[in-house]
Amino acid sequence: ETGVTQSPTHLIKTRGQQVTLRCSSQSGHNTVSWYQQALGQGPQFIFQYYREEENGRGNFPPRFSGLQFPNYSSELNVNALELDDSALYLCASSLPGRETQYFGPGTRLLVL
Amino acid sequence: DQQVKQNSPSLSVQEGRISILNCDYTNSMFDYFLWYKKYPAEGPTFLISISSIKDKNEDGRFTVFLNKSAKHLSLHIVPSQPGDSAVYFCAASDYNNDMRFGAGTRLTVKP
Repeated sequence: ETGVTQSPTHLIKTRGQQVTLRCSSQSGHNTVSWYQQALGQGPQFIFQYYREEENGRGNFPPRFSGLQFPNYSSELNVNALELDDSALYLCASSLPGRETQYFGPGTRLLVL
Repeated sequence: DQQVKQNSPSLSVQEGRISILNCDYTNSMFDYFLWYKKYPAEGPTFLISISSIKDKNEDGRFTVFLNKSAKHLSLHIVPSQPGDSAVYFCAASDYNNDMRFGAGTRLTVKP
């Protein structure tokens, strides 16, 4: 059974650019959630996908968007990057419902 | 809005003693609570959880206590070991499974 993996591990972008982050869910998990963790803070919920549809969203603007694929892997896309988007981006996979979420190692994004 | 708060950014204890990490929440709709542990360069790792129908859940050295009337939960680690040194996050979710995290407490266990 493979765990949650994310790519890339690190990324540097400039303001205004667009970025795509990727996540492969743990085997058998069909629900994926994305979180943003700024320095010194806890993870902040961005959104959740279940069976390729958005299933809940936190307080993030529409320039944060996502996709989930039939194999349950997913992407987080951020358009028009801002300096404050610099953070660790975590994805977590789970079974649907009130099941424990298992986190990947994260992608550290730096926006200059 | 900080719906989950961990007011102690750091905690230092001696090996073998008890570590008590605290967490407060404001949203009465939260009904499921979790603790995650995070080492540097790794994602958070699930540690223990408790649903709102219970007031205590135990798993080996780790026990989580929930006081619903006070909207407070705590994690007890007994006995503490140097390998427990990490950042601990408290998280809470409602029926949507939308998890809210605290800012974390850095635990250092000294040999």
